[in-house]
Amino acid sequence: DADVTQTPRNRITKTGKRIMLECSQTKGHDRMYWYRQDPGLGLRLIYYSFDVKDINKGEISDGYSVSRQAQAKFSLSLESAIPNQTALYFCATSAQFQETQYFGPGTRLLVL
Amino acid sequence: AQSVTQLGSHVSVSEGALVLLRCNYSSSVPPYLFWYVQYPNQGLQLLLKYTTGATLVKGINGFEAEFKKSETSFHLTKPSAHMSDAAEYFCAVGGNEKLTFGTGTRLTIIP
Repeated sequence: DADVTQTPRNRITKTGKRIMLECSQTKGHDRMYWYRQDPGLGLRLIYYSFDVKDINKGEISDGYSVSRQAQAKFSLSLESAIPNQTALYFCATSAQFQETQYFGPGTRLLVL
Repeated sequence: AQSVTQLGSHVSVSEGALVLLRCNYSSSVPPYLFWYVQYPNQGLQLLLKYTTGATLVKGINGFEAEFKKSETSFHLTKPSAHMSDAAEYFCAVGGNEKLTFGTGTRLTIIP
């Protein structure tokens, strides 16, 4: 079984719709991260959480929100999706005080 | 502040030839350095990492990278390319438990 899972794997939505991407992990890690990947831009950090009560904005948080429901679950929401949020979204985890991050398989989002 | 520059968004090499993917970084603290690989339609997989100690780091699938502080570089190499190495490769610098990624290099292997 995969250590970091993301649902859905693919999603098509329309402009203005609310959408939630979910991430779950069985690695027992405290730290969880959300990134988006765009061609030619690499991965950019949206939000990160060092524990259930700690949420921090990343490089590109505008238009996104997150919820850390439990140590193992970290959700990313687009309150009102827009076409330039079309991207590949990755969740990642790491252990406390460790720099290595482990990635989920990604969610491909298309906003029409 | 941290940043990563990957020189060459696309690199093509012949099967059996040397693979060299370039990465330069900037970091205000002693860096942790990483190479990740992304195969088509998959997530990122850790290839290798440098934290402290030996500057030549060996990773999976025959890849290695050398940390050169004086050159602020962490280039990725493999002596002999294989068709299965075709993928996108990302260099990243870590610090304060966050990673900053480069823009990636797509590696194509020519039969």
